[in-house]
Amino acid sequence: AQSVTQLGSHVSVSEGALVLLRCNYSSSVPPYLFWYVQYPNQGLQLLLKYTSAATLVKGINGFEAEFKKSETSFHLTKPSAHMSDAAEYFCAVSQNTGFQKLVFGTGTRLLVSP
Amino acid sequence: EAGVAQSPRYKIIEKRQSVAFWCNPISGHATLYWYQQILGQGPKLLIQFQNNGVVDDSQLPKDRFSAERLKGVDSTLKIQPAKLEDSAVYLCASSLEPGGLQPQHFGDGTRLSIL
Repeated sequence: AQSVTQLGSHVSVSEGALVLLRCNYSSSVPPYLFWYVQYPNQGLQLLLKYTSAATLVKGINGFEAEFKKSETSFHLTKPSAHMSDAAEYFCAVSQNTGFQKLVFGTGTRLLVSP
Repeated sequence: EAGVAQSPRYKIIEKRQSVAFWCNPISGHATLYWYQQILGQGPKLLIQFQNNGVVDDSQLPKDRFSAERLKGVDSTLKIQPAKLEDSAVYLCASSLEPGGLQPQHFGDGTRLSIL
């Protein structure tokens, strides 16, 4: 079975500071990995995805994530936080075969202070 | 393009009552998903359709939940009878095809409160 663990239910940063949201995955087969963002009272929006091409993946809004197989990690980063980045962020994993069902982590709420 | 449409946005019912949610996916998207998102948790897949056929309903509580996608376009999810533990946001998503290479586009969800 596949799963993801997101360390830290809440992360607080100051505007302009580095954003680092942690995600570790467990998968018996090579995974696809995703980061989604959810703003209040809205659905999820795809930020970026890893599908076994380049290990450093760039997404929308200046976010990027690096796939590290040796550490089973897929951490999300952004060099400089903006107030508009405040939201809930979900890491997700799926297999690259079969139904490829998405399994989500429990989410990390990013708080950005001025 | 128009996004995934869901209605209603909010619903409050008493336990043991029934409720239905509606979803209209992005035009041309063959794959449709229903997720349950309980407060403080990530979304959990309830059912996945490919056109009008069910691909995966392994996590759907079939004694009370049902879903259909007639004609392979819009879909309804029903709960009958509702329990307190069903309080959650129900998200609908769609993608062009199944699989991780195709991004899933989410609607804004229906927030269900059970009294």
